[in-house]
Amino acid sequence: GENVEQHPSTLSVQEGDSAVIKCTYSDSASNYFPWYKQELGKRPQLIIDIRSNVGEKKDQRIAVTLNKTAKHFSLHITETQPEDSAVYFCAAGAPGNTGKLIFGQGTTLQVKP
Amino acid sequence: DTAVSQTPKYLVTQMGNDKSIKCEQNLGHDTMYWYKQDSKKFLKIMFSYNNKELIINETVPNRFSPKSPDKAHLNLHINSLELGDSAVYFCASSHEEVRGSGYTFGSGTRLTVV
Repeated sequence: GENVEQHPSTLSVQEGDSAVIKCTYSDSASNYFPWYKQELGKRPQLIIDIRSNVGEKKDQRIAVTLNKTAKHFSLHITETQPEDSAVYFCAAGAPGNTGKLIFGQGTTLQVKP
Repeated sequence: DTAVSQTPKYLVTQMGNDKSIKCEQNLGHDTMYWYKQDSKKFLKIMFSYNNKELIINETVPNRFSPKSPDKAHLNLHINSLELGDSAVYFCASSHEEVRGSGYTFGSGTRLTVV
């Protein structure tokens, strides 16, 4: 069935370092890959997304790369700051009429000052 | 002027009770979803409605019954609550033309069954 694997489950970095979170997906029909950030006790919020017709997208300190052949995509955060500390979720969506997103298991990122 | 609002935010109830969670969105979206987030933070889809029509019904016990009176509202009724139903339930919405993208989540309802 549809599945999204996300690694690592926890990640601790020093402020200013980079953080990378990786996801793989099983459904080759997937064509939409969003990333969500969830702070403690709050709702998941979309931070960046990529569609299958591009290989990379950047927004300030955040970038996402996609390798459709290998069915994996990654989130890169540069110059991390303490406020980047949160749980990050990747997700994959396939075309069709449901709009269903399959989420990864989440990565708890801790940025130490 | 919250985009996707859920009520209540917290719900503590005893096993066996019946409870409802309400969700409303003012974004003009036509697709709404219910997701369950368990204690390990895993987000799993339960239901989805498009213009009041059920389009996703994952393997969820039939004690859970969604209802969409109009495209701006999606409620979740749970009968005979069990300990394992304790979780955070998130409502979300998206627009048909970019369905599945740009989910906007509600603030969540933390359900605790005792």
